[in-house]
Amino acid sequence: AQSVAQPEDQVNVAEGNPLTVKCTYSVSGNPYLFWYVQYPNRGLQFLLKYITGDNLVKGSYGFEAEFNKSQTSFHLKKPSALVSDSALYFCAVRFFTGRRALTFGSGTRLQVQP
Amino acid sequence: NAGVTQTPKFQVLKTGQSMTLQCAQDMNHNSMYWYRQDPGMGLRLIYYSASEGTTDKGEVPNGYNVSRLNKREFSLRLESAAPSQTSVYFCAIPGQDRYEQYFGPGTRLTVT
Repeated sequence: AQSVAQPEDQVNVAEGNPLTVKCTYSVSGNPYLFWYVQYPNRGLQFLLKYITGDNLVKGSYGFEAEFNKSQTSFHLKKPSALVSDSALYFCAVRFFTGRRALTFGSGTRLQVQP
Repeated sequence: NAGVTQTPKFQVLKTGQSMTLQCAQDMNHNSMYWYRQDPGMGLRLIYYSASEGTTDKGEVPNGYNVSRLNKREFSLRLESAAPSQTSVYFCAIPGQDRYEQYFGPGTRLTVT
């Protein structure tokens, strides 16, 4: 069965420093991988996705993620964190075929301190 | 969250009461999805619909029923609410290029 793990419940980083939010996955085929962000009392917003091709994908708000097949990871990164990046971040995976629903990780709360 | 609307935004129920959560889309997609979000567990798929008139169970379907009577609307019904169904419920449709999903604003449900 496919699964996604986000090993950190919370990540704290100072404004201006680089940030990384970790995600590892387990699927038996080729995965489609996604990152979503949720601001307080809001719905989920799509950040970026990996479908195929270049392992480094760029998304909204200056975020990027690196797909690493050998380590089965898809970590979210940003070179310089902003206080406004503070939110809940979800990694998700979807199979190439099938019902196309997403399987989500448990979420990581990012706290950026001024 | 243009494209997907959900009603109501908030609801408080007593144990045993019933209610229907409504979801409507104006993007003409065949597929629609219902998820629930619980702290520390991410989002989990309750039911999905691949097309009008068809529905299938997801990861956590117990205690719920769904209805997809037309292409635009996908409703989620709780026949006898339980405190374990306290959650935030999200409806979703495929995104622009159909890989990602686009989520509605959510319904926050509390069952006492």
